Amino acid sequence: DQQVKQNSPSLSVQEGRISILNCDYTNSMFDYFLWYKKYPAEGPTFLISISSIKDKNEDGRFTVFLNKSAKHLSLHIVPSQPGDSAVYFCAAIRGNTPLVFGKGTRLSVIA
Amino acid sequence: DVKVTQSSRYLVKRTGEKVFLECVQDMDHENMFWYRQDPGLGLRLIYFSYDVKMKEKGDIPEGYSVSREKKERFSLILESASTNQTSMYLCASRTTSGRAHEQFFGPGTRLTVL
Repeated sequence: DQQVKQNSPSLSVQEGRISILNCDYTNSMFDYFLWYKKYPAEGPTFLISISSIKDKNEDGRFTVFLNKSAKHLSLHIVPSQPGDSAVYFCAAIRGNTPLVFGKGTRLSVIA
Repeated sequence: DVKVTQSSRYLVKRTGEKVFLECVQDMDHENMFWYRQDPGLGLRLIYFSYDVKMKEKGDIPEGYSVSREKKERFSLILESASTNQTSMYLCASRTTSGRAHEQFFGPGTRLTVL
């Protein structure tokens, strides 16, 4: 049973526009939610996180929104740049258990 | 900066060979993890370790074993490599204090089993 779901395998956005990546989860006990970015042939790198007690966290061009009642989070990238083209993984954690990852969304930013 | 290193970036092995993938972290992290990444399947957890000498099975441990004799080193062992173990293998570590939810990944090992 997949606890963290990213239903869009891919997304294409024009440079300068907003990219919105979505993630749904089923376990209401998760404490933190994270987004990782992965380029081909490299390990994932941490992008941004949000505590389950918050509904928004912002870091530069990246903002994560959490809607606990809908068990949904989203990552907004504004403005999108070609260097943002990568696979984005949503992840969630409860306590000291391992991160649970979604299957990823491949973002392509077109110049 | 946290540094997680993996012994090889690319590896080619033959079916039936014993394969060792090594991971070392330099930040005194307690927890370490091994994942594999396959297209369309995301990151799947193979094994993890909360501390030295400790190991726990993840979601897909079959065909793998691990060793953690020192805190900084976590090894993944493929006892008898098979073609369905061709994959990108990713090691990660994290602390149990502070921002304990963040995991730091190594660069990955692309393993091909022929």
